[in-house]
Amino acid sequence: AQSVTQLGSHVSVSEGALVLLRCNYSSSVPPYLFWYVQYPNQGLQLLLKYTSAATLVKGINGFEAEFKKSETSFHLTKPSAHMSDAAEYFCAVSDFGGGSNYKLTFGKGTLLTVNP
Amino acid sequence: DTGVSQDPRHKITKRGQNVTFRCDPISEHNRLYWYRQTLGQGPEFLTYFQNEAQLEKSRLLSDRFSAERPKGSFSTLEIQRTEQGDSAMYLCASSSSNQPQHFGDGTRLSIL
Repeated sequence: AQSVTQLGSHVSVSEGALVLLRCNYSSSVPPYLFWYVQYPNQGLQLLLKYTSAATLVKGINGFEAEFKKSETSFHLTKPSAHMSDAAEYFCAVSDFGGGSNYKLTFGKGTLLTVNP
Repeated sequence: DTGVSQDPRHKITKRGQNVTFRCDPISEHNRLYWYRQTLGQGPEFLTYFQNEAQLEKSRLLSDRFSAERPKGSFSTLEIQRTEQGDSAMYLCASSSSNQPQHFGDGTRLSIL
């Protein structure tokens, strides 16, 4: 069974500060890992994905994440927060391989607040 | 790219009524997923279609829930005899092969 733990249900940063959102996963098979962002009353938008290629993954809007197998982590970072980054962020894991349906298992989410 | 479309965006109904939601996936996507998201939680997997075949259902999908994907295109999710606990955002996603899932904006269900 797969699971995702997002440390910190709420993170608050100042505009221009570093954003760090933490994600740890558990998977019995090599995982695919994803970060999605959700704005109020909207669906989820893909920020970036890890699919067993480069361990440092760059996504949209200046976000990136590093896959660390030894730590079972996939933390999301952005060097400088912008007001428009305020949203809820979800980390998700999926298995891959023959016959996989690639369903996503999500963490509980981290609400990012950006202060002016 | 027209994206994943869900209808309606918001449904308010009385307890005990039946409701049906529709999802139109991205046209070339053969995989379609339904998820449920309650307040303060991440989305939880409900069911998955590959083309018209429903290949997996979560234990969350009680016998009051049924999903279809006739002809492998749009999908419907029906909830019979709605209960207070069914209040949630119902999200549809689609993908092709092992590509990431694209989500619609969801249908928010409110049970009075």
